[in-house]
Amino acid sequence: AQTIHQWPVAEIKAVGSPLSLGCTIKGKSSPNLYWYWQATGGTLQQLFYSITVGQVESVVQLNLSASRPKDDQFILSTEKLLLSHSGFYLCAGRVANTEVFFGKGTRLTVV
Amino acid sequence: QEKVQQSPESLIVPEGAMVSLNCSFSDSASQSIWWYQQHPGKGPKALISIFSNGNKKEGRLTVYLNRASLHVSLHIKDSQPSDSAVYLCAAYYGNEKITFGAGTKLTIKP
Repeated sequence: AQTIHQWPVAEIKAVGSPLSLGCTIKGKSSPNLYWYWQATGGTLQQLFYSITVGQVESVVQLNLSASRPKDDQFILSTEKLLLSHSGFYLCAGRVANTEVFFGKGTRLTVV
Repeated sequence: QEKVQQSPESLIVPEGAMVSLNCSFSDSASQSIWWYQQHPGKGPKALISIFSNGNKKEGRLTVYLNRASLHVSLHIKDSQPSDSAVYLCAAYYGNEKITFGAGTKLTIKP
């Protein structure tokens, strides 16, 4: 079965500081990968998707960037955090026409 | 931009009741519709999907899709307290954009 390990589990960061979140996917080769963001009590918002290593497409602009350095790894980052970046970040994957499977998420609080 | 709207926002029913959740999507070009279950502080978990008009049953879950009216519904038979969660409807499009609705918060009272 596929699993997604996300790190860190939670972060408290200052406004203007850099951020790097990551995930590793096991059990599936060459999955499509996704980053989602969810404000507290809010709707899941797709941020990025990647079909192959080295290629990432942006879905919505939130002053964030993403990279896929390896087939099983997806990184989300920014050089300067904003208060509006607070929320729950979810890494997800999908193979063929199956369901999207999610990691356990990273809770980010920007202060 | 594709939109997915869910109703009701929240629902409280007694244990054993039939639960009906609704979802409307904005574009008939969606490839498939998925329902997910999300517990607080956790990632969503896929429950059931449907692509063609009609219905699909898996265990206590039944999903109905009507592409002409851009509507899909999820029905949970014999609801249990463990079914309490937020239920998300998601529309999949061919360009790897997957749009989620805001969800329905379901509470099953023992």
